Amino acid sequence: SQQGEEDPQALSIQEGENATMNCSYKTSINNLQWYRQNSGRGLVHLILIRSNEREKHSGRLRVTLDTSKKSSSLLITASRAADTASYFCATDGTGGYNKLIFGAGTRLAVHP
Amino acid sequence: DTAVSQTPKYLVTQMGNDKSIKCEQNLGHDTMYWYKQDSKKFLKIMFSYNNKELIINETVPNRFSPKSPDKAHLNLHINSLELGDSAVYFCASRDLAGGMETQYFGPGTRLLVL
Repeated sequence: SQQGEEDPQALSIQEGENATMNCSYKTSINNLQWYRQNSGRGLVHLILIRSNEREKHSGRLRVTLDTSKKSSSLLITASRAADTASYFCATDGTGGYNKLIFGAGTRLAVHP
Repeated sequence: DTAVSQTPKYLVTQMGNDKSIKCEQNLGHDTMYWYKQDSKKFLKIMFSYNNKELIINETVPNRFSPKSPDKAHLNLHINSLELGDSAVYFCASRDLAGGMETQYFGPGTRLLVL
């Protein structure tokens, strides 16, 4: 079954605003990753946070991880129209299979 | 240079047919994956190969048979296609032996079964 759940399912904002997406998961993890998918394209890795980390930054991206709540959030600051895409969280579990379990994704629309 | 490539990009076929999708990666990675993304955008792992050996086999109908002739290629053959097989299929690769934790995805193959 699908492990991750993301909310909101869809988010519509204006350029310059911040966008926050949340992800929840069910089992123990080694790390949690965020991927981006532009319409009709493959997924591109954005950022990875390990289970012993609480916050990570990369450019305009900020990821937090709360392993006690089994949740993560992705913040995109000062959004641009080019940020319009679907964003997925994926967990790399501790079961030894080295497979990613993806959430349902958040569709972000940034309007000029 | 395309890191992970898939062919074909689009595939439209009739129910009952047999079809193959090919994937190649030129990154030197040792592990490759097939994922299925349904119409609701759920992305689910199907198979994974490490150095030509099957390491992950999720609950997938046995009409789906992956084949890895070498570690740079992972093909997916589907027998007796059904309407529910319509989806986008993504190939991905990873350098597992090198400790890489992220995956590189191909552009996807859009399969439509009529």
